[in-house]
Amino acid sequence: QKEVEQDPGPLSVPEGAIVSLNCTYSNSAFQYFMWYRQYSRKGPELLMYTYSSGNKEDGRFTAQVDKSSKYISLFIRDSQPSDSATYLCAMSGTINNAGNMLTFGGGTRLMVKP
Amino acid sequence: KAGVTQTPRYLIKTRGQQVTLSCSPISGHRSVSWYQQTPGQGLQFLFEYFSETQRNKGNFPGRFSGRQFSNSRSEMNVSTLELGDSALYLCASSLSTSGAQETQYFGPGTRLLVL
Repeated sequence: QKEVEQDPGPLSVPEGAIVSLNCTYSNSAFQYFMWYRQYSRKGPELLMYTYSSGNKEDGRFTAQVDKSSKYISLFIRDSQPSDSATYLCAMSGTINNAGNMLTFGGGTRLMVKP
Repeated sequence: KAGVTQTPRYLIKTRGQQVTLSCSPISGHRSVSWYQQTPGQGLQFLFEYFSETQRNKGNFPGRFSGRQFSNSRSEMNVSTLELGDSALYLCASSLSTSGAQETQYFGPGTRLLVL
């Protein structure tokens, strides 16, 4: 079983819909949680960054972390066709300067249809 | 400010050969991490370099190695290439002043095809 599980999709939604993307993880040492967006043939782009549990909002994006359930979510409001991409969750801990050693989920492919 | 740059962008090699990939981090960034991305395994951490020293290492065989220069530029080398090494190799840089997690910025990647 992988340390970070993510439904690969594809997830197809109409323009304007609210999108919910999720990851579960097994390593309780993870304290930093990130969401990246990756367009085809491009490198991942950081969308959201959260430390420990709680919510964080940035424009149309909201990230939630529930450490007790080992579950993180990304919500996209008023989704746009330009949001069509693969969304990757990533996590890291802080032991032994391992903060930059990210463990990624497999990615969820999102398609927003006009 | 210029982003992370990786060269070359595309590479075709044959089994048994070796390859060297290059990464130039964002100016001022001292940490460089390397990742391998494949359809089957997703994004996997290879190693991280900070101040010319390998700080963390993922679970890859010794054929995968890297180094970092005094200007923070980094190279990774794969020797005795195998078909399974075909992948997108991504480099990410961060300021990394404390060793704790800091925002990492990814380059566009080098797509390696091994024939």
